[in-house]
Amino acid sequence: AQSVAQPEDQVNVAEGNPLTVKCTYSVSGNPYLFWYVQYPNRGLQFLLKYITGDNLVKGSYGFEAEFNKSQTSFHLKKPSALVSDSALYFCAVRDPWGDSSYKLIFGSGTRLLVRP
Amino acid sequence: DGGITQSPKYLFRKEGQNVTLSCEQNLNHDAMYWYRQDPGQGLRLIYYSQIVNDFQKGDIAEGYSVSREKKESFPLTVTSAQKNPTAFYLCASSGSGFTDTQYFGPGTRLTVL
Repeated sequence: AQSVAQPEDQVNVAEGNPLTVKCTYSVSGNPYLFWYVQYPNRGLQFLLKYITGDNLVKGSYGFEAEFNKSQTSFHLKKPSALVSDSALYFCAVRDPWGDSSYKLIFGSGTRLLVRP
Repeated sequence: DGGITQSPKYLFRKEGQNVTLSCEQNLNHDAMYWYRQDPGQGLRLIYYSQIVNDFQKGDIAEGYSVSREKKESFPLTVTSAQKNPTAFYLCASSGSGFTDTQYFGPGTRLTVL
């Protein structure tokens, strides 16, 4: 079955330090991968996506993510965290060749807390 | 959130009542989606529509209904058959290609009194 795992409910990091939010997926074939961010009582904002090509994808607000097919991972990274990055982050996967090719499958989310 | 509006922002419902959540987009997207978000869980798909006058059930469609009479509008009705409707509801839209990104509205928080 298709699934996405975000193994950490919360990630804590000091401002100025690098951050990583982990995501692994279980989808056969070549999936499309997405990261979204959600601020309290708001909708999801798109950060970046991997479709094909370079495994390192750059997105909004200085975020980037690395696709690793052998480890089935798509971790979100930022070289220097800001307090304003504190939010809920969702990883999502789409299997364009599966039975449910229309669907985005979401992880359960990781709360990022950046302390001053 | 730009381009997709949801109303109302907050909605209170008495048990046994049907309520309708509005979703409008001006992005000229063919596809529209409704998701439910509960604390500590990811988003779960309720219904989706890939084209006007057509829609399909998602993973948790029981107790919900939708219509897609116009390209820009995809209202969701939460019926009295939905036993636990208190949640945050998110509408999204996208182009029709597999690589197209889904963009989300600001959400409606529904509370059953």
